[in-house]
Amino acid sequence: RKEVEQDPGPFNVPEGATVAFNCTYSNSASQSFFWYRQDCRKEPKLLMSVYSSGNEDGRFTAQLNRASQYISLLIRDSKLSDSATYLCVVPLSGGYNKLIFGAGTRLAVHP
Amino acid sequence: GAGVSQTPSNKVTEKGKYVELRCDPISGHTALYWYRQSLGQGPEFLIYFQGTGAADDSGLPNDRFFAVRPEGSVSTLKIQRTERGDSAVYLCASSLDRSDEQFFGPGTRLTVL
Repeated sequence: RKEVEQDPGPFNVPEGATVAFNCTYSNSASQSFFWYRQDCRKEPKLLMSVYSSGNEDGRFTAQLNRASQYISLLIRDSKLSDSATYLCVVPLSGGYNKLIFGAGTRLAVHP
Repeated sequence: GAGVSQTPSNKVTEKGKYVELRCDPISGHTALYWYRQSLGQGPEFLIYFQGTGAADDSGLPNDRFFAVRPEGSVSTLKIQRTERGDSAVYLCASSLDRSDEQFFGPGTRLTVL
């Protein structure tokens, strides 16, 4: 089993739609999680951190289910500018953040 | 302020050649990381520096790969006897300290012919 698994998509949604991505992880000891956004041919950028049950930032909501070892990202009222790849990231603790990335879920928002 | 910079942005080389990829971290960041991203995959950890020392090089795929950070700032990733399978985007990231947010550079796209 991969350490971090995501549905690769693509998710093709119209503007204004609500879309959700799921991510499962294998290390039950992981305490914190991240969602990164990566635009085509660009570097990954931190979108949200998830430290407890969840986190909300405007149209974006991240939720954590430790019992089932999955993290979700919900995007409400999708914009064209949300089109990107969303990477689920689980740091391996050990004195520093060794980031383990999922393969990413591609989102395409169309007019 | 200036972010993480990487040079060159693109590198095309022939199989068997030696290449060096450079990373300039954000000023004052003590932690530096190298990742490799293949097409359709997420970045894969290669090596982590805290200051001048390589604190974790467990992600380097084999002994053809080596990285240095002699003065605790700029880092160079060196690949000997390149193979076609080394083709990927090599990303560098830095963080203020080891548990802080990592900021990524734009990457170097390496193509081995």
